[in-house]
Amino acid sequence: DAGVTQSPTHLIKTRGQQVTLRCSPKSGHDTVSWYQQALGQGPQFIFQYYEEEERQRGNFPDRFSGHQFPNYSSELNVNALLLGDSALYLCASSSGLAGAEQFFGPGTRLTVL
Amino acid sequence: AQSVTQLGSHVSVSEGALVLLRCNYSSSVPPYLFWYVQYPNQGLQLLLKYTSAATLVKGINGFEAEFKKSETSFHLTKPSAHMSDAAEYFCAVSGPDVTGTASKLTFGTGTRLQVTL
Repeated sequence: DAGVTQSPTHLIKTRGQQVTLRCSPKSGHDTVSWYQQALGQGPQFIFQYYEEEERQRGNFPDRFSGHQFPNYSSELNVNALLLGDSALYLCASSSGLAGAEQFFGPGTRLTVL
Repeated sequence: AQSVTQLGSHVSVSEGALVLLRCNYSSSVPPYLFWYVQYPNQGLQLLLKYTSAATLVKGINGFEAEFKKSETSFHLTKPSAHMSDAAEYFCAVSGPDVTGTASKLTFGTGTRLQVTL
């Protein structure tokens, strides 16, 4: 089992650009959540996808959007990048049941210059 | 709304000493509580979780945590620290949403554990 995989590992963009991050969930999982972890901080919930729909959303602007595909993989898109968007973006997958463990990928390190 | 407070952003212990990392939570519904560990440049790995079964939860690598509802606490302990335990530790809380399914994780700000010889 490959676990949760994310791509790319690192990414450098400039302000105003757009970025797409990708995530493949652990085998058997149908729920994908995205988190933003700024340097020295705990992860902050961005949104969660289940059955190709956004089920929950955290306190992030509309510049942050996502998608889930029929195979349960997911994308996170960020438009009009700001310097403050520089962070580690973590994807987590789970079975969707209450209290189920969320398995995290290694993350994508985004640097906005 | 749910929240987590981790007391102490940095904790330093000697190898072989007791590890105690503190976590207090706030939740309007019966909470699910988690401890995750993060090594440098890696994602998060689950150490243990509380989901309303036994209040004393045993996890991996010799860690355990006790759920105390009266104190709204879920402190993480390990009897004897090892050099390999040096990492960032996060406490997190979640609760079932209105559909009864998985909910978001709300994390604390983390505690960096240093283990010295």
